Amino acid sequence: DAGITQSPRHKVTETGTPVTLRCHQTENHRYMYWYRQDPGHGLRLIHYSYGVKDTDKGEVSDGYSVSRSKTEDFLLTLESATSSQTSVYFCAIRASGGGHEQYFGPGTRLTVT
Amino acid sequence: AQSVAQPEDQVNVAEGNPLTVKCTYSVSGNPYLFWYVQYPNRGLQFLLKYITGDNLVKGSYGFEAEFNKSQTSFHLKKPSALVSDSALYFCAVRDMGNSGYALNFGKGTSLLVTP
Repeated sequence: DAGITQSPRHKVTETGTPVTLRCHQTENHRYMYWYRQDPGHGLRLIHYSYGVKDTDKGEVSDGYSVSRSKTEDFLLTLESATSSQTSVYFCAIRASGGGHEQYFGPGTRLTVT
Repeated sequence: AQSVAQPEDQVNVAEGNPLTVKCTYSVSGNPYLFWYVQYPNRGLQFLLKYITGDNLVKGSYGFEAEFNKSQTSFHLKKPSALVSDSALYFCAVRDMGNSGYALNFGKGTSLLVTP
């Protein structure tokens, strides 16, 4: 599992509240990603990071922000949660070397009511 | 943009029979292609990848995939399916744009292996 943990694993929150999801890795990988998984869409990239304090937007970044103050932690924040952000969120790291495969955390199931 | 398509939402196969899960790709340049499997309430597990070289790639759990440049396909195969192979399978391609080498995923194919 490449030493990736996500917290919380499940969360129910109300519309309009801020939510922060945490991804933690133990193997010092440079690249980290946040994806969301929705039925019929596969996984879509929200944000990614290529180093401490170096982040950029992905395909579906509206309504989300990220931060990476330490190599091992990559935080995803929903500034004001909406029902459309109900989803399963996955964090991933990119394997070292030239393979470019990614390894995923166990996911966080977020429900916005 | 680099993309993949999985034309089948679901594939049903009997245990012991060969299985194929289809994936086609659309890329500019040489593709980096991947297969992942997702069991219920779990994260995605990496199965195999094609970067270059032999068109037949072998991966975890007895799976293999065949890269076909002329047909722009990268189908996942297994000679003899197990009930435990029942899961959601995703094909992915490495994005070549400004996305930090992110992966672009297909919508997934649900594989059901019946006893």
